[in-house]
Amino acid sequence: GAVVSQHPSRVICKSGTSVKIECRSLDFQATTMFWYRQFPKKSLMLMATSNEGSKATYEQGVEKDKFLINHASLTLSTLTVTSAHPEDSSFYICSARAKFGVYGQHFGDGTRLSIL
Amino acid sequence: TQLLEQSPQFLSIQEGENLTVYCNSSSVFSSLQWYRQEPGEGPVLLVTVVTGGEVKKLKRLTFQFGDARKDSSLHITAAQPGDTGLYLCAGELTGTASKLTFGTGTRLQVTL
Repeated sequence: GAVVSQHPSRVICKSGTSVKIECRSLDFQATTMFWYRQFPKKSLMLMATSNEGSKATYEQGVEKDKFLINHASLTLSTLTVTSAHPEDSSFYICSARAKFGVYGQHFGDGTRLSIL
Repeated sequence: TQLLEQSPQFLSIQEGENLTVYCNSSSVFSSLQWYRQEPGEGPVLLVTVVTGGEVKKLKRLTFQFGDARKDSSLHITAAQPGDTGLYLCAGELTGTASKLTFGTGTRLQVTL
């Protein structure tokens, strides 16, 4: 069964709206979660690393004020796309790595964001 | 510049054929993973390799990590339609706090 839950799975909203996406680890604690963006037929591009209890680390070229990340607990990280515009439309995926260790990450099922 | 290059980018084969997907880099990775992703879903971890030269088998799938830990391959024997999907390699660089760098992806289509 799924170990990382992402919600919502699909969002359609008007330009200028802010959208929050949740990523939860279901049966383990995750001190570190990751947020990716994926364009059609392309690979995953890391946006930021979400650290429990501290600020997120953003990859080069990713706007911190546009993509707000909050990792308030060991099981929840949120990504808020602020004042979304059509160019922000994409497939957003989160992942988590268990606190004590195994290689690899567990991924959520992604959120399809469509801005009209 | 993409750190991890996969080849081929796209592969369409018939059921029963064998295939190999390559994942190459000039960087050394502490671990390398292979994922399969289906449309509208997140990637699913297939295997992790950590030791240079390591070979792992998962039913009809054979994964190999290069001796220098810079490259990897995925070999599928007797492909089935259920193997269709996007295959992604992803490497963890030493000292990057679990951060994964994904390969460019290989889209596999297996037809009857």
